[in-house]
Amino acid sequence: QKEVEQNSGPLSVPEGAIASLNCTYSDRGSQSFFWYRQYSGKSPELIMSIYSNGDKEDGRFTAQLNKASQYVSLLIRDSQPSDSATYLCAVNTYNQGGKLIFGQGTELSVKP
Amino acid sequence: EAGVVQSPRYKIIEKKQPVAFWCNPISGHNTLYWYLQNLGQGPELLIRYENEEAVDDSQLPKDRFSAERLKGVDSTLKIQPAELGDSAVYLCASSSGRGKAFFGQGTRLTVV
Repeated sequence: QKEVEQNSGPLSVPEGAIASLNCTYSDRGSQSFFWYRQYSGKSPELIMSIYSNGDKEDGRFTAQLNKASQYVSLLIRDSQPSDSATYLCAVNTYNQGGKLIFGQGTELSVKP
Repeated sequence: EAGVVQSPRYKIIEKKQPVAFWCNPISGHNTLYWYLQNLGQGPELLIRYENEEAVDDSQLPKDRFSAERLKGVDSTLKIQPAELGDSAVYLCASSSGRGKAFFGQGTRLTVV
């Protein structure tokens, strides 16, 4: 089992729709969770961080965390073509001394 | 505030040659990471520093890779000798805590 798992996609949604990206993690002691956006040929850009159970909203982005299910998700409302990118889930693992581990990324394509 | 700065942006070398990458983290960030990213994959941790101490280098191929972070600020990652399989993007990131990391532009290495 990978430490951080994401559906590799590609996920295709029409413009204006809600895109839902999912991530599961194996270390139950993990404490910090992040979503990064990576455009082709660019480096990852931090877009959301979440530390406690529940939802956290920032503009069109909502991160959701469920520690009991070891699950974190990212919702993008009113998706735009400019949201087309790879989204990386990252988990700061407590039981490995604070190692920041990334999933393989989910490619999102928003069609006009 | 300046972000994480890496150099060079691109490097092409012949196999068996040495190569070095440099990273200047965000001012005040005590944690520095070096990641390797292959095409279509998430970043994989090579080494993590807390100030000048390498606290996690379990994924660093120590027969050919070395890293240093003098005075707990700038860091250098070296490969000697380079192999064809080392072609990838090398990413540096820094954090002030809780794993919230910010990335530099990356160095794209091509070994021919």
